[in-house]
Amino acid sequence: QKEVEQNSGPLSVPEGAIASLNCTYSDRGSQSFFWYRQYSGKSPELIMFIYSNGDKEDGRFTAQLNKASQYVSLLIRDSQPSDSATYLCAPEGEGNKLTFGTGTQLKVEL
Amino acid sequence: DAGVIQSPRHEVTEMGQEVTLRCKPISGHDYLFWYRQTMMRGLELLIYFNNNVPIDDSGMPEDRFSAKMPNASFSTLKIQPSEPRDSAVYFCASSLKNSPLHFGNGTRLTVT
Repeated sequence: QKEVEQNSGPLSVPEGAIASLNCTYSDRGSQSFFWYRQYSGKSPELIMFIYSNGDKEDGRFTAQLNKASQYVSLLIRDSQPSDSATYLCAPEGEGNKLTFGTGTQLKVEL
Repeated sequence: DAGVIQSPRHEVTEMGQEVTLRCKPISGHDYLFWYRQTMMRGLELLIYFNNNVPIDDSGMPEDRFSAKMPNASFSTLKIQPSEPRDSAVYFCASSLKNSPLHFGNGTRLTVT
């Protein structure tokens, strides 16, 4: 089993819809979880992080964490074409180390 | 804040040559990470440092790869000799303890 699993996509959603991106992880010791966005040809940039079970909202983005199920998700409301990118999930391990999933490619269509 | 600075942005070299990638972390950050990204394997951690000391190099693919951090403001990743399968984008990132990683713009390496 991979440490971090994400559906590679592409996930296509119409503009204005909700995009749901999912991630499962294997390390039960992980306490912090990060979502990064990566545009084609660019470096990853942090969108959100979550430490506690439940939901965390920031503007159009909501991160959801369920440690018992080892599952973390990212919801993007009112999706815009500018949200089209690859989204990387990363649980934090020892020593600030982040293990990234292969990412889900999101396409927001006009 | 200038962010994490990597050089060069692009590197094209022939198989067998030595390649050196450079990174300047954000001032004050005490963690530094080297990642490699390919389409097939995604973003893989190669090695990371804490206070200039290598902590985990288990991701370094083989002895051809080496990394150093002689001081808090500079790190290098060296590949000697380089091979075509080393072609990838190499990212450097830095952070404070228990804080998110900040990535540099990456170095795109092509080995022919």
